[in-house]
Amino acid sequence: KQEVTQIPAALSVPEGENLVLNCSFTDSAIYNLQWFRQDPGKGLTSLLLIQSSQREQTSGRLNASLDKSSGRSTLYIAASQPGDSATYLCAVKDTGNQFYFGTGTSLTVIP
Amino acid sequence: DTAVSQTPKYLVTQMGNDKSIKCEQNLGHDTMYWYKQDSKKFLKIMFSYNNKELIINETVPNRFSPKSPDKAHLNLHINSLELGDSAVYFCASSLRGAGGREQYFGPGTRLTVT
Repeated sequence: KQEVTQIPAALSVPEGENLVLNCSFTDSAIYNLQWFRQDPGKGLTSLLLIQSSQREQTSGRLNASLDKSSGRSTLYIAASQPGDSATYLCAVKDTGNQFYFGTGTSLTVIP
Repeated sequence: DTAVSQTPKYLVTQMGNDKSIKCEQNLGHDTMYWYKQDSKKFLKIMFSYNNKELIINETVPNRFSPKSPDKAHLNLHINSLELGDSAVYFCASSLRGAGGREQYFGPGTRLTVT
C-alpha cells in the first residue's frame, strides 16, 4: 500500500525567505504527483501537477520536482509571502483512481 | 460498505443536455466536495459544502450547481452541457476543517459529452 509522508510537519519562516517542502512515497509506480494547498475550512487548491515521466514543473514562485526512483518530491517556494501561509499537501495518484495524500506541512510566513 | 459512492460511473450525453451526478457518503462527515479532473489528470476543486456554507471556485461556470438534499448527499447538476465539460468528476467528503489526507474520495464519474 502506498504511504506518503511530508517533512516537516510545520514550518515557520520570515517573509521573503525561500523554502523547501518535502514529500516522500513508498511505491514508485505512480501515475502522477500533485501539490495542493489548503486554507482553513476550505477544500484543496491545486498548485502543480507532475506526471510520472516529468522531473519538474514551475508556476510563478513555485517549483516542484519529482524523483520517482527515490520516491521523493519537493516543493520550492521562492520569496515567501504571508499569503502563502496554509497547509501544503502532496498527493500521489496510482494508475487507477486512487489518491494517496501526504501528512501535510503547515506553513506560517511571518510578516 | 463503500464510504463515498458516485453514480453513474460512466455518463455519455450530447451537448446541450442537462445531467446530474449523485454522490453519497456514509461516514458521517459534514463537508462534501466536488473536484474535476481534466484530461491531463489535474485535479481541481469545484465546490466545497457543509450545511452552513457553500464555497464555489470562481472559475466554475454557473451551469454547474451542487444540490444537497441532506448531509450525506451532494449531487452535481450540470445544465447545457458543453464538449469541454468532458472529464472525470470526483466527489469527496471529510469532517469540517479536516486536512486533505482525511478527505475520502469517491471512485469518480467519467463524463463524455458528444
